[in-house]
Amino acid sequence: QKEVEQNSGPLSVPEGAIASLNCTYSDRVSQSFFWYRQYSGKSPELIMSIYSNGDKEDGRFTAQLNKASQYVSLLIRDSQPSDSATYLCAVNKGTASKLTFGTGTRLQVTL
Amino acid sequence: EPEVTQTPSHQVTQMGQEVILRCVPISNHLYFYWYRQILGQKVEFLVSFYNNEISEKSEIFDDQFSVERPDGSNFTLKIRSTKLEDSAMYFCASSTGGAGNTIYFGEGSWLTVV
Repeated sequence: QKEVEQNSGPLSVPEGAIASLNCTYSDRVSQSFFWYRQYSGKSPELIMSIYSNGDKEDGRFTAQLNKASQYVSLLIRDSQPSDSATYLCAVNKGTASKLTFGTGTRLQVTL
Repeated sequence: EPEVTQTPSHQVTQMGQEVILRCVPISNHLYFYWYRQILGQKVEFLVSFYNNEISEKSEIFDDQFSVERPDGSNFTLKIRSTKLEDSAMYFCASSTGGAGNTIYFGEGSWLTVV
């Protein structure tokens, strides 16, 4: 079983729609959860972090965490063509620990 | 905004040669990392470094690899006897190590072994 699993996509949504990206993780001791955005050939850029069950909103982005189901999601409202990228889910086991990444979901926002 | 900087951005090397990739982490960060991403694959952890020693390493980080903090600002990754399969993007990253341990990545060094 992969430590962090994501659907590779591509996920195609029309401009202005809500994009929903999902991630599951296998290790129950995971404590912190992150969404990074990666454009082709570029480095991962932090979008959101979430540590507690529930929702966390930042602008057009909402991260959702359900530790009982070992599930993390990212919602992008009012999707824009510039949101077209690969979204990486990453988890760690607490203070100073490494990040373990999923393979990423490629999002395409169409005009 | 503080950022992690890496040099070179792209290096081409002959198989069997040694390469050194350099990084300047964010100045108040205490934890430093190297990750790599082979083209089309996921970002993989190589090594973490704290207080002038390796704190964790992956199975990828074998004797071919070493890290060093030669002075107060630089953090380097040395790859000895490079192989074709070492071709990848290498990302340096740093963090404060605090709650949540948010890790910030540099722009990457693209290594091509020919």
